Amino acid sequence: DVVLTQTPPTLSATIGQSVSISCRSSQSLLHSNGNTYLNWLLQRPGQPPQLLIYLVSRLESGVPNRFSGSGSGTDFTLKISGVEAEDLGVYYCVQSTHAPWTFGGGTKLELK
Amino acid sequence: EVQLQESGPGLVKPSQSLSLTCSVTGYSITSNYWGWIRKFPGNKMEWMGYISYSGSTSYNPSLKSRISITRDTSKNQFFLQLNSVTTEDTATYYCARYVTLDYWGQGVMVTVSS
Repeated sequence: DVVLTQTPPTLSATIGQSVSISCRSSQSLLHSNGNTYLNWLLQRPGQPPQLLIYLVSRLESGVPNRFSGSGSGTDFTLKISGVEAEDLGVYYCVQSTHAPWTFGGGTKLELK
Repeated sequence: EVQLQESGPGLVKPSQSLSLTCSVTGYSITSNYWGWIRKFPGNKMEWMGYISYSGSTSYNPSLKSRISITRDTSKNQFFLQLNSVTTEDTATYYCARYVTLDYWGQGVMVTVSS
């Protein structure tokens, strides 16, 4: 199975600070069809996960543009440009290039 | 608006079967893919499997001998059955629209305990 390693496991930030989360894959997530199926999710406390980014860098409808995704192959990054209080929760990367789909271990974003 | 809602027992005894229902409104399950994901105590998430618009299924090999996903298109529902559960199957179970993972149910917490 593909292993996704997220760092850091915990991130402390102040409101307005920009932060980044890394997701590294044990193998390339480039599919034979040319797409890279790497998504980012946010799970706020008491809520189901919410899709933020799909196909590495495409912003889901309704998601603020302070969220951005980048990367290729095995290295991916989620950036939040100016953390807001509503951004607190656990972030996950998830890949669906290779079966079985797998998730990163999660990064908890807290207020400093 | 697409909405998903899980239902089922919150407590299951070891060795028994776990059965959950996902009711979908606002979108037909005969389009797209629909599946189950679970979150264990802590942060670990696991993809369990899905059922396609045509009724074909795909399962996580780690569960393949115990899992079954079926559907009732007349009710726009799909179902999870997990057999021979142990305490390690204690988790919050979510249904979601695949491949995009853009719509999720609220989740149902299932505890396996005698």
